[in-house]
Amino acid sequence: EAGVTQFPSHSVIEKGQTVTLRCDPISGHDNLYWYRRVMGKEIKFLLHFVKESKQDESGMPNNRFLAERTGGTYSTLKVQPAELEDSGVYFCASSQSSHYGYTFGSGTRLTVV
Amino acid sequence: QKEVEQNSGPLSVPEGAIASLNCTYSDRGSQSFFWYRQYSGKSPELIMSIYSNGDKEDGRFTAQLNKASQYVSLLIRDSQPSDSATYLCAVPHSGTYKYIFGTGTRLKVLA
Repeated sequence: EAGVTQFPSHSVIEKGQTVTLRCDPISGHDNLYWYRRVMGKEIKFLLHFVKESKQDESGMPNNRFLAERTGGTYSTLKVQPAELEDSGVYFCASSQSSHYGYTFGSGTRLTVV
Repeated sequence: QKEVEQNSGPLSVPEGAIASLNCTYSDRGSQSFFWYRQYSGKSPELIMSIYSNGDKEDGRFTAQLNKASQYVSLLIRDSQPSDSATYLCAVPHSGTYKYIFGTGTRLKVLA
């Protein structure tokens, strides 16, 4: 079984630019999540998709962040325009249900300079 | 008070010893609890889940849950240098799929 795939693995952009992160969940997993870890802090929830629908986006920091999940398959997270405080590691995860825990991708390390 | 609290460590134990990692949580409605292991620069990997009070064993790992005291712990028996990693406690916010993570405890197993 292929795992959760994220790319790019690293991205360095300048403040004010746009970056799009992509996540391919495990096939058959309806639930897809985005989390973020900023330096020295705990991993924090951003949002949750069930198929193509946003179930919970309470963790999205502001309207510079836009997440989509086309056709209930892969998901993208766009940051536009990026700010310095957006730097961190963005994790995607997927699951069949919350009861059995998530499978995480390897993350995208975003650095805004 | 943080929703999920862990001692950040590092917790250093000699090879072969038992490592004990603790986690407390604030949401009394939480029903499931997860331990993830994260090696430096890698993704978190699910190693244990527990839903009922008491102990749950899987190989060298034992998860312990006490809902009345709102703590969950992870014991690693016969610790190996390869167990050196950060261990994350994750608790779904009650009624949701949203996990609340602790900051993680860094474990160092000394050869």
